[in-house]
Amino acid sequence: ETGVTQTPRHLVMGMTNKKSLKCEQHLGHNAMYWYKQSAKKPLELMFVYSLEERVENNSVPSRFSPECPNSSHLFLHLHTLQPEDSALYLCASSQDRGVGGYTFGSGTRLTVV
Amino acid sequence: GEDVEQSLFLSVREGDSSVINCTYTDSSSTYLYWYKQEPGAGLQLLTYIFSNMDMKQDQRLTVLLNKKDKHLSLRIADTQTGDSAIYFCAESSNTGKLIFGQGTTLQVKP
Repeated sequence: ETGVTQTPRHLVMGMTNKKSLKCEQHLGHNAMYWYKQSAKKPLELMFVYSLEERVENNSVPSRFSPECPNSSHLFLHLHTLQPEDSALYLCASSQDRGVGGYTFGSGTRLTVV
Repeated sequence: GEDVEQSLFLSVREGDSSVINCTYTDSSSTYLYWYKQEPGAGLQLLTYIFSNMDMKQDQRLTVLLNKKDKHLSLRIADTQTGDSAIYFCAESSNTGKLIFGQGTTLQVKP
């Protein structure tokens, strides 16, 4: 158990569907992150939340909508996605914006059909 | 800007040593990290080194840091097939954010 739990592990959705990815951390961290990992591309930082406030949004399309209701939970709401959005979505958490490194979840493998 | 570079692929024979290299650009980095990603899994923190250290050893893992050249390496002694994975180097920026390299795929042949 890594301390960061992501659900679901796998998700297949159509381009007109709406779904949500969930991330939960049990480490008492105060920052949480969403990353996108596509085949043969570097890790892409999507969103950063620190103390439940969004502090970074790296030009992510509006079809991805994050939500951080409290310091332990992070969601990524998805709607009208494109096939190129198929990827592994990784959640991570840290204390104090990264000092000591991040703890990652196992990821959600998303396939858009 | 901040950037971290790694070679993309390394192949070694079981029992040999593996050396994965990384270069970074932010001279103010406080910590440098090595993560391991096995197939279908997230990134697992392997080890990290504080920027005022030259070397850190942890069992089969040795991290070397050349701060002057902004070069970081990870040596795995007696490499096993279970070490096959993608290894990511990362530096901490002055805001605390981690900047990751593109990952080095380590293939261990029996």
